[in-house]
Amino acid sequence: DTEVTQTPKHLVMGMTNKKSLKCEQHMGHRAMYWYKQKAKKPPELMFVYSYEKLSINESVPSRFSPECPNSSLLNLHLHALQPEDSALYLCASSQEGGSGDLQETQYFGPGTRLLVL
Amino acid sequence: GDSVTQMEGPVTLSEEAFLTINCTYTATGYPSLFWYVQYPGEGLQLLLKATKADDKGSNKGFEATYRKETTSFHLEKGSVQVSDSAVYFCALILDNNNDMRFGAGTRLTVKP
Repeated sequence: DTEVTQTPKHLVMGMTNKKSLKCEQHMGHRAMYWYKQKAKKPPELMFVYSYEKLSINESVPSRFSPECPNSSLLNLHLHALQPEDSALYLCASSQEGGSGDLQETQYFGPGTRLLVL
Repeated sequence: GDSVTQMEGPVTLSEEAFLTINCTYTATGYPSLFWYVQYPGEGLQLLLKATKADDKGSNKGFEATYRKETTSFHLEKGSVQVSDSAVYFCALILDNNNDMRFGAGTRLTVKP
């Protein structure tokens, strides 16, 4: 099973709203990622969690707040977003540590399509 | 810095045509290389990968060979189908590094 699930599939929110995106995997992966993808562009890395600790934060504005409650779950809390934050938000996971050719492969969820009005 | 360059799209082919999407990389170490495919309205799916020089990744009729001498990982398929219409991303990741670098993506449209 190489499934990463994300909810909701679509989200429309106003600039004053607070919402959360959720991501879940049951592959035993210990690294989880948030990416932002604008139309016709490649994914851009936002955050990486490794063993439930934030290991990479790519200078993302504080209106995006990640959380990793346990090794299977990853949340992205949204507050006071701007219209330019409208995008597809992708979650991914991968094995972590050690060696072997499966360690780096990232498996992506279907994404949450976010529209900020 | 480490980066991936892939051919500009869009690419439009007729069904059963031969496909090549070029991908070259720049890396300070020895990366693993990937091709991901994104169908309309969906997330990225791993298509194939190669982790060392001369490895060939293959899946669903697609192939790509890791060429260290030309720093390339070109994607090929002998006979495309309408269902192959999607955006294809070449990507790399270095050993013990979680930072995956993507190319700009190449949109493929296959017409019947």
